[in-house]
Amino acid sequence: QKEVEQDPGPLSVPEGAIVSLNCTYSNSAFQYFMWYRQYSRKGPELLMYTYSSGNKEDGRFTAQVDKSSKYISLFIRDSQPSDSATYLCAMSASGKWGGSNYKLTFGKGTLLTVNP
Amino acid sequence: DGGITQSPKYLFRKEGQNVTLSCEQNLNHDAMYWYRQDPGQGLRLIYYSQIVNDFQKGDIAEGYSVSREKKESFPLTVTSAQKNPTAFYLCATSLATNTGELFFGEGSRLTVL
Repeated sequence: QKEVEQDPGPLSVPEGAIVSLNCTYSNSAFQYFMWYRQYSRKGPELLMYTYSSGNKEDGRFTAQVDKSSKYISLFIRDSQPSDSATYLCAMSASGKWGGSNYKLTFGKGTLLTVNP
Repeated sequence: DGGITQSPKYLFRKEGQNVTLSCEQNLNHDAMYWYRQDPGQGLRLIYYSQIVNDFQKGDIAEGYSVSREKKESFPLTVTSAQKNPTAFYLCATSLATNTGELFFGEGSRLTVL
């Protein structure tokens, strides 16, 4: 079993739809969870960052972490064509710099297209 | 403007040639990273450096080399020993005390002919 599993899609939705993106993981030591957005031929940019379990909301975006199920989600409300991108989940175990388990593990990314 | 500059954006190389990808940052971040991105593979860590004159191998370091002589610069050399070098290469930085926020450059696409 891979450490982080993410459905690569592609996912195509109409403008205004609610989008749900998900990742599962196997390493129970992961505590820090991130979502990155990557536009075509560009570098990823951090979209959401959460620590441990719970929800975090930022505008149209909501990140959820369920550590008991080892499952994280990103919800996009009122999706826009400008949200069309690849979404990468990422996670790490340690917040302590220099620790041997400080490393981000990325999912493979989900390609999302929002159609006008 | 503060940021990360990768060059060249596109590069073609013949088999057997070494090539060096540049990464320069003016964010004053301590840590720098090189990732490789292939279709369907996600991001894989090649090398990372926490401080000047020190760096560690990532998950796929074979066939690559790096140096960190200045805080601002972390060049990556793709050597002829790298068997499948065609890929999108991403440089990233982070604050030393940060717990995962990486700042990425625009990437360099290397194609071996």
